[in-house]
Amino acid sequence: GQQVMQIPQYQHVQEGEDFTTYCNSSTTLSNIQWYKQRPGGHPVFLIQLVKSGEVKKQKRLTFQFGEAKKNSSLHITATQTTDVGTYFCAGPVDGGGNKLTFGTGTQLKVEL
Amino acid sequence: ETGVTQSPTHLIKTRGQQVTLRCSSQSGHNTVSWYQQALGQGPQFIFQYYREEENGRGNFPPRFSGLQFPNYSSELNVNALELDDSALYLCASSLKAGAYNEQFFGPGTRLTVL
Repeated sequence: GQQVMQIPQYQHVQEGEDFTTYCNSSTTLSNIQWYKQRPGGHPVFLIQLVKSGEVKKQKRLTFQFGEAKKNSSLHITATQTTDVGTYFCAGPVDGGGNKLTFGTGTQLKVEL
Repeated sequence: ETGVTQSPTHLIKTRGQQVTLRCSSQSGHNTVSWYQQALGQGPQFIFQYYREEENGRGNFPPRFSGLQFPNYSSELNVNALELDDSALYLCASSLKAGAYNEQFFGPGTRLTVL
């Protein structure tokens, strides 16, 4: 079945350092979404990418969708303590629609 | 906040019991999806309801069942609880069931099965 993997599983950075998480799907995706989940919280939608090779920016966050639409990345420039949480990518389950298969997640910890 | 509410927030049950979890979707949203999130893992899709009909199901046994009501609120029922059912249960609502429709997650119900 469809699998969505993320690396790394954990990342510990000093505040001000950059951070990147990579997402790889076993199948081609029509779109990919990114969510952030704070400790003890629920997933919060960050962005959706649809086009092959698409790059979108939100302040210090840069999202990229691969040319083959099977991989994606999230890069955070100059991390802050407010960036702490687990970042998930998610793609439509086999069969389409907005039912999601979530990636394994990358947990980010930021130290002062 | 998303406007999606879930009840109860926490629940403790024993193995073999049955549980019903509830979700009120964001105003105007006709689609509700349910996910199970075990500790340290990503959410796993259970099923989706669109206009009161099941619209897709993940790899969960039949003892996981659901309902959607005319006001688009939804219930998740789990029979014959097992220890592995201990997890955070999340519902997410969206405007439609189409591929490009953002989902808004509720705060979740933390279920513990002893």
